[in-house]
Amino acid sequence: TQLLEQSPQFLSIQEGENLTVYCNSSSVFSSLQWYRQEPGEGPVLLVTVVTGGEVKKLKRLTFQFGDARKDSSLHITAAQPGDTGLYLCAENYYAGNNRKLIWGLGTSLAVNP
Amino acid sequence: GAVVSQHPSRVICKSGTSVKIECRSLDFQATTMFWYRQFPKQSLMLMATSNEGSKATYEQGVEKDKFLINHASLTLSTLTVTSAHPEDSSFYICSARRRGLQETQYFGPGTRLLVL
Repeated sequence: TQLLEQSPQFLSIQEGENLTVYCNSSSVFSSLQWYRQEPGEGPVLLVTVVTGGEVKKLKRLTFQFGDARKDSSLHITAAQPGDTGLYLCAENYYAGNNRKLIWGLGTSLAVNP
Repeated sequence: GAVVSQHPSRVICKSGTSVKIECRSLDFQATTMFWYRQFPKQSLMLMATSNEGSKATYEQGVEKDKFLINHASLTLSTLTVTSAHPEDSSFYICSARRRGLQETQYFGPGTRLLVL
């Protein structure tokens, strides 16, 4: 399965710090989704970005979509222990009649109290 | 909402036995369901895509005879791990694409399989 470039792969920070996670591709995204997954559970969709330059906010999370639609970032302000989890970006990939999600490698975030 | 359930949530089995995992869309019809495998702190690996009433499409490197997928109805898909071995131990996640909403996949809570 083709993977998107996602960085960093691991991140351990203290409560209250800010962080940014990046998702990149060599080709243009049709649309990009960000998910959060807690241990032992399935991924939960946070946001879908579609338009180049788009910025979406979800409480302390800010999602940006690059103007050229080849990159995206997730910024968390004042991280809390409840933000701990695996953050995944994914792109809808179309191949003929086949549609599937192409996934980033994931960023494992640990926020320490 | 769109809820997807998986059963069982955890299963432990002996090497050589077969294990069936169910994936159900509880409040919507799923034209397509996906099966993923995930190792700890790693991304999801797509195993196969199944469309209701037709054969599943397997990703490269996934053994069709090892991982049997049946999508018999618009609300149920099953994954059977045949003759399981310890290396099949993993977290298996299904997702469902809702009829009419082709861009969104709804994920189940996952099934933890441990083969002894």
